[in-house]
Amino acid sequence: GENVEQHPSTLSVQEGDSAVIKCTYSDSASNYFPWYKQELGKRPQLIIDIRSNVGEKKDQRIAVTLNKTAKHFSLHITETQPEDSAVYFCAASFNFGNEKLTFGTGTRLTIIP
Amino acid sequence: GAVVSQHPSWVICKSGTSVKIECRSLDFQATTMFWYRQFPKQSLMLMATSNEGSKATYEQGVEKDKFLINHASLTLSTLTVTSAHPEDSSFYICSAIPAGAAKNIQYFGAGTRLSVL
Repeated sequence: GENVEQHPSTLSVQEGDSAVIKCTYSDSASNYFPWYKQELGKRPQLIIDIRSNVGEKKDQRIAVTLNKTAKHFSLHITETQPEDSAVYFCAASFNFGNEKLTFGTGTRLTIIP
Repeated sequence: GAVVSQHPSWVICKSGTSVKIECRSLDFQATTMFWYRQFPKQSLMLMATSNEGSKATYEQGVEKDKFLINHASLTLSTLTVTSAHPEDSSFYICSAIPAGAAKNIQYFGAGTRLSVL
């Protein structure tokens, strides 16, 4: 089955700086890669996703890049703000998201004011 | 739109009792729902895929007789933890994919925190 690794497990960034979280996946058949943000005790919220036919996608301060050859994808948050503090999970799926998600282990991001 | 409601949000039960958790898609139909378990400071681990009108597909290592899943309608899936024990204490989260949507995004419920005494 699919295996998703995520690094780093914790990340502290000064407010205004950029944060980068990286994930690798094992199954070359995976073609959908969402990123979820989860605040303590709350539901995961989709913040951005990318499909395998695209190399990069951007939404305001958030961007995701995908390298299919290397089987890794990354989340980039620019101009970080205190409300960006949360746990971020990457995930991978087949069939453009219509199948089960395999989640990474999560990154606890702390923005230092 | 795309709201998933999960109930209850928190439940405490005695060891040996059964607990039912409901997952409802409020404004869309979902032929597929997923059940996850999340231990403190850990990732979401998929337990099973729930398909409307058919048996759930369980992940390896998940006891289907202990975690009963029923997807009786296009808007409701239930997870019953039977004969719960303290080691079953966890955060259980469901998700649903809108049927027929152009983009198959999983929308998550708010989760149920189960504490077994």
